[in-house]
Amino acid sequence: AQSVSQHNHHVILSEAASLELGCNYSYGGTVNLFWYVQYPGQHLQLLLKYFSGDPLVKGIKGFEAEFIKSKFSFNLRKPSVQWSDTAEYFCAVIPPLNNNDMRFGAGTRLTVKP
Amino acid sequence: DTGVSQNPRHKITKRGQNVTFRCDPISEHNRLYWYRQTLGQGPEFLTYFQNEAQLEKSRLLSDRFSAERPKGSFSTLEIQRTEQGDSAMYLCASSPSTGGEAFFGQGTRLTVV
Repeated sequence: AQSVSQHNHHVILSEAASLELGCNYSYGGTVNLFWYVQYPGQHLQLLLKYFSGDPLVKGIKGFEAEFIKSKFSFNLRKPSVQWSDTAEYFCAVIPPLNNNDMRFGAGTRLTVKP
Repeated sequence: DTGVSQNPRHKITKRGQNVTFRCDPISEHNRLYWYRQTLGQGPEFLTYFQNEAQLEKSRLLSDRFSAERPKGSFSTLEIQRTEQGDSAMYLCASSPSTGGEAFFGQGTRLTVV
């Protein structure tokens, strides 16, 4: 079945460590890609999105993601995490020819130790 | 706050009862989505409206589920004859355009006992 895969369920890092969260999707064709973050007790918020153009996308709070079409990947990165980055991170894809159905990965819980 | 608003935030109901949730989207957004999220999973698409028209429904949406958006503004999601498996967070989102960013509400957490 076509899907969005996030390989890491729970990542624990110390402050200032570098972060990379994996996201792979299995849809062919042109897709729109997103990373959302959910801080404890809050709603899902957009971190960044990719529709076209430069495959390296910069988002809020120092996050960036790289779209690698050949690998069907859209990994999220941050060079130096902070305690306040503790949250759940969701990769999402809008498949080709279906602009109504945003498919989410299962999420990665990030815990940053002070 | 001009974001997406959902009511109630929490709902506990007995199995077999009907429940209704409300979503008020961002006012200029013509697209509205309902998702369901269970523990350890990402949101799953349930249904989608463009203005007042319900244009798509997931196979996850059984006959006990119905959604409306009568005037193209707020939306309601009703679950009839609730079952324990309906326990989940129900999320509403809105967006201004096709394929664009969706803005999410804080969700309604349903517990069926």
